[in-house]
Amino acid sequence: GENVEQHPSTLSVQEGDSAVIKCTYSDSASNYFPWYKQELGKRPQLIIDIRSNVGEKKDQRIAVTLNKTAKHFSLHITETQPEDSAVYFCAASKNDYKLSFGAGTTVTVRA
Amino acid sequence: NAGVTQTPKFRVLKTGQSMTLLCAQDMNHEYMYWYRQDPGMGLRLIHYSVGEGTTAKGEVPDGYNVSRLKKQNFLLGLESAAPSQTSVYFCASSYSGSGNTIYFGEGSWLTVV
Repeated sequence: GENVEQHPSTLSVQEGDSAVIKCTYSDSASNYFPWYKQELGKRPQLIIDIRSNVGEKKDQRIAVTLNKTAKHFSLHITETQPEDSAVYFCAASKNDYKLSFGAGTTVTVRA
Repeated sequence: NAGVTQTPKFRVLKTGQSMTLLCAQDMNHEYMYWYRQDPGMGLRLIHYSVGEGTTAKGEVPDGYNVSRLKKQNFLLGLESAAPSQTSVYFCASSYSGSGNTIYFGEGSWLTVV
């Protein structure tokens, strides 16, 4: 099955700086890559996703890039704010319904 | 719309006891899922369903059973709870499988002692 690895496991950034989280996947047939944000004690919520026919997607301060050849994708958060502090999960799937998740990255934004 | 709701939200079980987690969604979604979340391991798929009356195994199905008798409900059962099943359980649903957004419930915290 699909194996998704996520790095780093923890990330501390100064408010206003950028944060980057990287994920790799094993199955070259995977074509859908969502990112979820989970605040403490809350449910995971989709923040952005990308499909394999697109190399980059941006939504305000959040962007995701995909390198199909290298089988990795990344989440970029610019101008970080305290409310960006959360656990972020990447995931991958191949035209089906079984998302495989990374282990998560705990992001802390220091004021 | 309530979205995806789970009951109960918290439960403490003794080893060997049984229980059922109930998930309900009001978005007319075809697909429903049960995930468990453990520290440092992300979310792992336990079982899923692609429609009323269907169920299938995910990554970690052992020790769990599921049923989808109605489209809006997906039940997760633990027949004989074990301490290794202490976890946070999330139900989720999506309109169809191919790259559509998966919506999660609020989670159910289960402790087996």
